[in-house]
Amino acid sequence: DAKTTQPPSMDCAEGRAANLPCNHSTISGNEYVYWYRQIHSQGPQYIIHGLKNNETNEMASLIITEDRKSSTLILPHATLRDTAVYYCIVRLGGSNYKLTFGKGTLLTVNP
Amino acid sequence: EAGVTQFPSHSVIEKGQTVTLRCDPISGHDNLYWYRRVMGKEIKFLLHFVKESKQDESGMPNNRFLAERTGGTYSTLKVQPAELEDSGVYFCASSLGTGYNSPLHFGNGTRLTVT
Repeated sequence: DAKTTQPPSMDCAEGRAANLPCNHSTISGNEYVYWYRQIHSQGPQYIIHGLKNNETNEMASLIITEDRKSSTLILPHATLRDTAVYYCIVRLGGSNYKLTFGKGTLLTVNP
Repeated sequence: EAGVTQFPSHSVIEKGQTVTLRCDPISGHDNLYWYRRVMGKEIKFLLHFVKESKQDESGMPNNRFLAERTGGTYSTLKVQPAELEDSGVYFCASSLGTGYNSPLHFGNGTRLTVT
């Protein structure tokens, strides 16, 4: 799996957009970008995934650069409940589904 | 739909004792996974079941750990005998398939403390 690099921490004001970057410069053509988050004392929670097109769901948007070497997870209106560790994971979309969690980004949403 | 449930939420045992963790996946999910985070480390994969069969157990640390999924429904993870370094949070996850459109759904974990 391609290695990912994320900033260790970020702050965001409540109600503002949170933009979480991820570098994955060694990503291969058939690898997907997945985002999970872990809120304190809970299990990891799936957010969104994409291959090369931008994606949006009820939780967030995922912007992948044209060369696919980096991506940004966008939480459009961050709330205090979005404070969590966010993990960017690159993974083949096939079988033997085994996620590699790194250290992630601790996003703190401030009132 | 009910999510992935794990029992117990916390367990404190002494070194050398046995502990069994249970995981109930989301109904209809054939794929079940165990992960863990030990102190100060990242979340790591332990193993993957497809129904009752072990598909990949490459992450199991040693033979003190035994995972089962009889009948392809719930799963148990037994640690026998427990050691201090086994302390951590054990997560179970399930998914409908293993393709790119089948994200993992995690439970809230069992926090294991070995004293």
